[in-house]
Amino acid sequence: GNSVTQMEGPVTLSEEAFLTINCTYTATGYPSLFWYVQYPGEGLQLLLKATKADDKGSNKGFEATYRKETTSFHLEKGSVQVSDSAVYFCALSVGSYIPTFGRGTSLIVHP
Amino acid sequence: ETGVTQTPRHLVMGMTNKKSLKCEQHLGHNAMYWYKQSAKKPLELMFVYSLEERVENNSVPSRFSPECPNSSHLFLHLHTLQPEDSALYLCASSQETRGGFHEQFFGPGTRLTVL
Repeated sequence: GNSVTQMEGPVTLSEEAFLTINCTYTATGYPSLFWYVQYPGEGLQLLLKATKADDKGSNKGFEATYRKETTSFHLEKGSVQVSDSAVYFCALSVGSYIPTFGRGTSLIVHP
Repeated sequence: ETGVTQTPRHLVMGMTNKKSLKCEQHLGHNAMYWYKQSAKKPLELMFVYSLEERVENNSVPSRFSPECPNSSHLFLHLHTLQPEDSALYLCASSQETRGGFHEQFFGPGTRLTVL
């Protein structure tokens, strides 16, 4: 079956630090990959996506590259801000299967 | 604003009450979802409707009853709930094509408390 594994949190960083949140997946076929973000008190919203191998998704300073050889889609940001504090979800969608989400990783950024 | 609205935003109910959650999407999508999000637990998919037909029901207790009268509206009818059903209930929509399910757009959620 399809599955997504994310690093457990919380991830705690100081402002302007470099962020990496790891995500690996297993899938039948060739999935599309997504990162969603959930700010406190809100629903999830799409942060970025990649639909084929070697694609790089980017948005709001965040980036993730679709690595087929390592089945990974790690989220990175060069300099985090306090306003980036949220829960981040990695997800995949493949064929007619219902999208699959990871457990979420909480990010806390201190001033 | 994601184009998906949910009402009410907060709901407190007793175990013997009957209530309904409403979701509406203004995006022209053809698939809609209900998720349950509890503290310290993964996101749980409850129901999926595609083209107004239910395509997924993940062993959800019968005290939760979904209804999808058209592609823009989705309801979750609640009756005789338990305290452990207290959670954030999220609605989402997406476009399903022959290529599969595409990215989902989520509503803000309904925070449900069962006393």
